[in-house]
Amino acid sequence: DTEVTQTPKHLVMGMTNKKSLKCEQHMGHRAMYWYKQKAKKPPELMFVYSYEKLSINESVPSRFSPECPNSSLLNLHLHALQPEDSALYLCASSQDYGTLNEKLFFGSGTQLSVL
Amino acid sequence: AQSVTQPDIHITVSEGASLELRCNYSYGATPYLFWYVQSPGQGLQLLLKYFSGDTLVQGIKGFEAEFKRSQSSFNLRKPSVHWSDAAEYFCAVAQYSGGGADGLTFGKGTHLIIQP
Repeated sequence: DTEVTQTPKHLVMGMTNKKSLKCEQHMGHRAMYWYKQKAKKPPELMFVYSYEKLSINESVPSRFSPECPNSSLLNLHLHALQPEDSALYLCASSQDYGTLNEKLFFGSGTQLSVL
Repeated sequence: AQSVTQPDIHITVSEGASLELRCNYSYGATPYLFWYVQSPGQGLQLLLKYFSGDTLVQGIKGFEAEFKRSQSSFNLRKPSVHWSDAAEYFCAVAQYSGGGADGLTFGKGTHLIIQP
């Protein structure tokens, strides 16, 4: 299994809603990532988890709250989002974090629309 | 910080013609470079990567890339494109801080259009 699975594929939410994005991989990877991608822009790194611990937070607003319950799962909890947060949210994993042989496997993403 | 530049926002190529997508990097040492492809609304798929060694790298789907230190380039090539190659292509470089690799930084992407 070389897949990173993200659910849901599409999500529409209001600014007062609370929702969660989920990401799962069964490749035994120890590093997992959240990227945000606006339309016609490259992906931008948001968070990195290594061995289930948050290693990097790229100054992401607190309305985005990541969680790594175990080595296979990564969640992104959303609360009080703004319309400008509408984007494709991509999850990725790699065998390890901090090594020089970094190959990221990406999920298909969750297309988020905030109304 | 390491960075990559993709100078072409759009490229139009006829089906069956050859393709070259440009990528320039900015890094003093040998960078770790990648090419990814993304279809609309989809995640990114790795085409190939360069870490060291042979400067001509073979990837999936008939793509190859050549690392040229003298030109700070890592251009992606394909001898004959197919309509299914129409997509967004991203060059990326691994970022490193004192703690190790921090993830990838992507170029702005090149949108590839295939003409029949």
